[in-house]
Amino acid sequence: GAVVSQHPSRVICKSGTSVKIECRSLDFQATTMFWYRQFPKKSLMLMATSNEGSKATYEQGVEKDKFLINHASLTLSTLTVTSAHPEDSSFYICSASPTSGYEQYFGPGTRLTVT
Amino acid sequence: AQSVSQHNHHVILSEAASLELGCNYSYGGTVNLFWYVQYPGQHLQLLLKYFSGDPLVKGIKGFEAEFIKSKFSFNLRKPSVQWSDTAEYFCAVNAGSGYSTLTFGKGTMLLVSP
Repeated sequence: GAVVSQHPSRVICKSGTSVKIECRSLDFQATTMFWYRQFPKKSLMLMATSNEGSKATYEQGVEKDKFLINHASLTLSTLTVTSAHPEDSSFYICSASPTSGYEQYFGPGTRLTVT
Repeated sequence: AQSVSQHNHHVILSEAASLELGCNYSYGGTVNLFWYVQYPGQHLQLLLKYFSGDPLVKGIKGFEAEFIKSKFSFNLRKPSVQWSDTAEYFCAVNAGSGYSTLTFGKGTMLLVSP
């Protein structure tokens, strides 16, 4: 149980285009979903927290107009990287927290490469 | 705001050696503590967690961790590691505020040689 999927697993896009990443909780309902960015040899950096049906809460330094988050249902959240630039290339990971607890279950991540 | 520090960035052990990975956090209130593992090419998985009660918690695959409140520590241990334990290990803290936001340490890469 507690499986989280992400799609796509890898994406390459050209500078200036937008990319959407989906995060789904497959077998549980997630009131809260989180988006992280993982840099090489560094920890996970929390980008934003999204609650179903409300606006996401962004961490300091994360541009909300660049990283659009939508959490339209209890099983789906999307992250759209708008007008992507090479410095946005990274590994993006989502996690989902069941309505019943503090734990987070992580997706497999999406490798974004912006050329 | 809480912070988490993991003292070792890389650890190399031989099979059957004992393991202890350090984790300290800074937060004065109630905390929930987690260890996550990321095997090569795989996603983060929960190893074990502490919310309350017995400060010695046991997780999957023979791992355990001890919460020492006075030291703000939650060290991960395993008496005898295996080659399959090669992975990156992350300590994480939730401030117990009712929200599940986690603060992660920078991770420790464990390499177990056969």
